[in-house]
Amino acid sequence: AQSVTQLGSHVSVSEGALVLLRCNYSSSVPPYLFWYVQYPNQGLQLLLKYTTGATLVKGINGFEAEFKKSETSFHLTKPSAHMSDAAEYFCAVSGSARQLTFGSGTQLTVLP
Amino acid sequence: DAEITQSPRHKITETGRQVTLACHQTWNHNNMFWYRQDLGHGLRLIHYSYGVQDTNKGEVSDGYSVSRSNTEDLPLTLESAASSQTSVYFCASSETSGRVREQFFGPGTRLTVL
Repeated sequence: AQSVTQLGSHVSVSEGALVLLRCNYSSSVPPYLFWYVQYPNQGLQLLLKYTTGATLVKGINGFEAEFKKSETSFHLTKPSAHMSDAAEYFCAVSGSARQLTFGSGTQLTVLP
Repeated sequence: DAEITQSPRHKITETGRQVTLACHQTWNHNNMFWYRQDLGHGLRLIHYSYGVQDTNKGEVSDGYSVSRSNTEDLPLTLESAASSQTSVYFCASSETSGRVREQFFGPGTRLTVL
């Protein structure tokens, strides 16, 4: 079985500041990990994914995430926040089945 | 371009009525999923299908049903709508081949049960 914990349901940063959204997972098998973004009144859009290989994964819109097996973490970062980054972000894990298990989401607010 | 569509986008219904939400994908994906999204709960899996005539219950399946008669469509039916089913519903699909099971999402249906 898999589970995902996103620390912080709301995160606020100033424009230009570092964005750090935290995700910890549990999985009984080597996980595949995903970050999705949801803009208001829209569906979820894939930001990036970790499958195998390089543990630092780069995604769209300048986001990246690092898979740390020893810490069971997959935190999402962006060096400099932009107003357009304001959205809800979901971490998800896929284990041996074809399903995804999602975290409860983190709402990112970017302050001018 | 391939896409996944949902209809209606907004629906208001009354307690006890049967409601069907449509999901149609042109990715030719075998895997299809229905989720509900509620504040504080993220996305919770309602039902899923791995191919035609295959359906399976997810985490929160009570009061919902699905059927899969072709690859493209997975309609979700609320047999007797309840106020607790007021939510935003998302349909998603993914490939079967390989283990990288990225899911592609529809735009969602906002359902209100009065």
